[in-house]
Order: sequence, then C-alpha cells, then structure tokens
Amino acid sequence: DGGITQSPKYLFRKEGQNVTLSCEQNLNHDAMYWYRQDPGQGLRLIYYSQIVNDFQKGDIAEGYSVSREKKESFPLTVTSAQKNPTAFYLCASSTTGSNMQDTQYFGPGTRLTVL
Amino acid sequence: AQKITQTQPGMFVQEKEAVTLDCTYDTSDPSYGLFWYKQPSSGEMIFLIYQGSYDQQNATEGRYSLNFQKARKSANLVISASQLGDSAMYFCAMRVAWGGKLIFGQGTELSVKP
Repeated sequence: DGGITQSPKYLFRKEGQNVTLSCEQNLNHDAMYWYRQDPGQGLRLIYYSQIVNDFQKGDIAEGYSVSREKKESFPLTVTSAQKNPTAFYLCASSTTGSNMQDTQYFGPGTRLTVL
Repeated sequence: AQKITQTQPGMFVQEKEAVTLDCTYDTSDPSYGLFWYKQPSSGEMIFLIYQGSYDQQNATEGRYSLNFQKARKSANLVISASQLGDSAMYFCAMRVAWGGKLIFGQGTELSVKP
C-alpha cells in the first residue's frame, strides 16, 4: 500500500532535549513538507523540500532542522531552541512542488508533548 | 498578504441534509489554487477537492462541491446528503506560488446529528 508514515504517534520530550520525528513516503513523490498544528488552529509550514539534498525554510523554521538525504525520507528535528514545541506535527508529500494543482497528501501525524 | 478566513468555528447539520462551509481568501496573485481538507479526530488530513483560479466550472467530487465565486474571493464547500462520518474539522487552504506552500484557514468543526 502506498502512503505516508510518521513515527512515533506520540512523543514526550524533556526540556532541553532534541527529538527527531520520522516521515517516510513510498509514493515516489519529489516534494515533502512539515507542518505544525496548534490546538484550534490551522497548519503552519515549518520546512519543505522539492528535491533530494535541498530544502527551504517555511514560516516558522526557528528551532527546527531537517534533512533530505533520500527521496523517501524527510525527518524533522525539534531542537532545544524551539521554545514552545508542544504541538501536532504533520508531514505531507506531493508529486512535485512546482505544479499549482499538485495535491499534498498527509501522514497520520505525531503529537509531541514537552514535559 | 495572502490569507484564508473561515468565519464559522463550529456548525451543526442534520443527517441527510446539505451544509455549506464558508471560506474567503485574499491574494493579489491571479494564479492560485484552493483546496479543502477534512481532519477527523484521528488527526490525519484528508484531501477533498481542488479548484484552480482559472477553472471555468465549479469543482465537484462525489458529495463534495465547491461554490467558487471569484469576484467575491470565496470558495465555499458544499456537502450534500450529510452522513454521521462527515463529523470532523474542515480546512480551506490556498496555494499562490510555485513551490508548494499551502496557507490554511483556522478550520470549521462540523457536527452531523442523527
């Protein structure tokens, strides 16, 4: 079955720790994205990548880092510099990042809580 | 600045009735795309329907249709024959530039009553 997987589903972090959220897709999509969702809010873009070994900052990249070493994988690291990391994190992918009507398909999300 | 506004935080609809979820957008770019997503309580975002700014006809996908009024900058989602499984958050989103970024509204929570 083709799709996007995210792990873990729930993640607890102590203050001062870095944590990495996994995102894998087997849809052969070129573009991948990370969004953050806070309670009662829409999604905000953290980082996106249109091709392997290249990525761009979104609207709220401070305190986060990413890598894109493989087409299938786009892990997100939440660093200790992120002051308020408790949120729901969603990964998405699309065929390309350059076609206006490319649909972004989402994974099931990771809920991160800082203790 | 590009922006999506969803003015209905929550709505109720009776099962089997139609419901309209409002979405207005703001952009000066003539080329843009509008998307609607459904988010059940499980959290996953499910794509429902797409409308391009140059599309002449309103988009339809099964029970979902998009009432696109370009002059008013509105892209309302119409769900016909509501089902209990339609209870969820619904998000309107816009893409205005090549590169893939989606701008989301704050969502509307729809509750379908039996």
